[in-house]
Amino acid sequence: EAGVTQFPSHSVIEKGQTVTLRCDPISGHDNLYWYRRVMGKEIKFLLHFVKESKQDESGMPNNRFLAERTGGTYSTLKVQPAELEDSGVYFCASSQINSPLHFGNGTRLTVT
Amino acid sequence: AQRVTQPEKLLSVFKGAPVELKCNYSYSGSPELFWYVQYSRQRLQLLLRHISRESIKGFTADLNKGETSFHLKKPFAQEEDSAMYYCALSGWGGSNYKLTFGKGTLLTVNP
Repeated sequence: EAGVTQFPSHSVIEKGQTVTLRCDPISGHDNLYWYRRVMGKEIKFLLHFVKESKQDESGMPNNRFLAERTGGTYSTLKVQPAELEDSGVYFCASSQINSPLHFGNGTRLTVT
Repeated sequence: AQRVTQPEKLLSVFKGAPVELKCNYSYSGSPELFWYVQYSRQRLQLLLRHISRESIKGFTADLNKGETSFHLKKPFAQEEDSAMYYCALSGWGGSNYKLTFGKGTLLTVNP
């Protein structure tokens, strides 16, 4: 089966610009998650979708981050406007109910 | 608050030597514990989970509730085991999506 795919793999933007990250989960996985690893820190949970609904967005850092999952398929994570501290690797993962998470390769975001 | 501590940022061993990657956790309740691995240029993937009680690629991990530990062990390390290893926990049952990760340990197995 095709794995979780994320696009782009790398993104370099200037402070104040907007960036949109995309995640395509494994087909049939209703659960989709976003995680982030900021340099030197742990991988941290951002939010969880079940189909198109946000189940838990307690990890979203602030209102500059907006995640959507229209139609319950792929998801986007938009950062607007980006700040220096947003730099890091953004991971997407998907799963079936009560099953282990399958992670994507991540998107490395650099804000200069 | 739940927390996962991996005290070693780097661990270097020789091929054939035993390896133990340490993981301690704090959690009020019954957690579910996992080990994830990320090989060079590959995605993060599940190595094992404590409820499965299985050995994957020769690795085992036992949950010690008294010591709140979930150390990962392998009796004879191989060069292909070189990777970044993350210990993680979640709440028991259906909330296993919200993983709390440790900072990771980079294991290098030298020939």
